[in-house]
Amino acid sequence: DSGVTQTPKHLITATGQRVTLRCSPRSGDLSVYWYQQSLDQGLQFLIHYYNGEERAKGNILERFSAQQFPDLHSELNLSSLELGDSALYFCASSVGSRQETQYFGPGTRLLVL
Amino acid sequence: QKEVEQDPGPLSVPEGAIVSLNCTYSNSAFQYFMWYRQYSRKGPELLMYTYSSGNKEDGRFTAQVDKSSKYISLFIRDSQPSDSATYLCAMSGGTSYGKLTFGQGTILTVHP
Repeated sequence: DSGVTQTPKHLITATGQRVTLRCSPRSGDLSVYWYQQSLDQGLQFLIHYYNGEERAKGNILERFSAQQFPDLHSELNLSSLELGDSALYFCASSVGSRQETQYFGPGTRLLVL
Repeated sequence: QKEVEQDPGPLSVPEGAIVSLNCTYSNSAFQYFMWYRQYSRKGPELLMYTYSSGNKEDGRFTAQVDKSSKYISLFIRDSQPSDSATYLCAMSGGTSYGKLTFGQGTILTVHP
């Protein structure tokens, strides 16, 4: 157990819908990262927050947004869902904001029908 | 071309074998190198973390980094069926603070 929690574990929804994925980092970690894992693209970095502030963006679609709250938990919002958004979404956390070891949560499996 | 290339395998070996997993990369700014293990339907679990070139050993696992060749390796000695998983290399450095760039992952099966 990495200490990173993610909810829900599974999510099934329809195209065009909006969902929210939640992540709680390890105790003491200030950084939260979101990654998407699909069969064809592998693990892709989406976005990084440090202590409430956005620090880096990767291949994140405009339909996706995220935020980190004062209690350091983070939410990833996915809207106007398409079939191709079906994937595993992982959250990771680290103590600081640079090059530190990242610990991954168990992931949320999203299926868009 | 991807920044990090990793042979997806699959790789099948008998129990007790030495396993060699490799990644190559193109971004010379990468300085931090990691190996993660991912069991089916689970999150990646950090195995090894190495800074710059050199070797690092932890139990049955040895990580090697050759920055001059842009090549990293993970060796697993005395492999066990419980080592059966997908192994992902990951890297970061330069201006990509915090962002990990992953290889595609190698699927490893160790059969008894």
